[in-house]
Amino acid sequence: AQSVAQPEDQVNVAEGNPLTVKCTYSVSGNPYLFWYVQYPNRGLQFLLKYITGDNLVKGSYGFEAEFNKSQTSFHLKKPSALVSDSALYFCGSLEGAGSYQLTFGKGTKLSVIP
Amino acid sequence: EAGVAQSPRYKIIEKRQSVAFWCNPISGHATLYWYQQILGQGPKLLIQFQNNGVVDDSQLPKDRFSAERLKGVDSTLKIQPAKLEDSAVYLCASRSLRGSKNTEAFFGQGTRLTVV
Repeated sequence: AQSVAQPEDQVNVAEGNPLTVKCTYSVSGNPYLFWYVQYPNRGLQFLLKYITGDNLVKGSYGFEAEFNKSQTSFHLKKPSALVSDSALYFCGSLEGAGSYQLTFGKGTKLSVIP
Repeated sequence: EAGVAQSPRYKIIEKRQSVAFWCNPISGHATLYWYQQILGQGPKLLIQFQNNGVVDDSQLPKDRFSAERLKGVDSTLKIQPAKLEDSAVYLCASRSLRGSKNTEAFFGQGTRLTVV
């Protein structure tokens, strides 16, 4: 069973508006959660991670994510979307530490409309 | 630091032919992953190595797919014989076990396989 789920196949947002890409998790124990971005014909690029500590995690390109234990969510956010943010976004989880599996959700396509 | 290198970038083969992909991880990274990403889907983990040993290959179709990492550095993934449904991007990723980035994986650009 997948450890993370992305309920939205696509998210559309106007340039300059805040954006949210949703992710929920079902990892047992302490979750290690990630967000990656994939541009066309490229591999996945790391954005940010939650391991322990503050529930609000800041990452690359102005993105941040909020870890919410009660809602088992790890939504990706950005205050003001750019057209260049249009890409595929993947939520991932690393179960345990060391040599554990890194698995991903199905992905959400973000389109920022000029 | 140099990233994860994969080759070839693109490959077109006929069904029932064989194909091999190569991955050179970031120097010093003990963990290496191979993923299959079918168009419109998330990456699916095929096999995970820790140095030259297999940690998890539960989702590798072993009747046609094989992978090795003989010296604990480079890795090859082979498909023999290929089927139409193997058309996908094959991603390689590596991860260190040392330092503050011991949980972050780095990905190569992938190999896009088309089986016709």
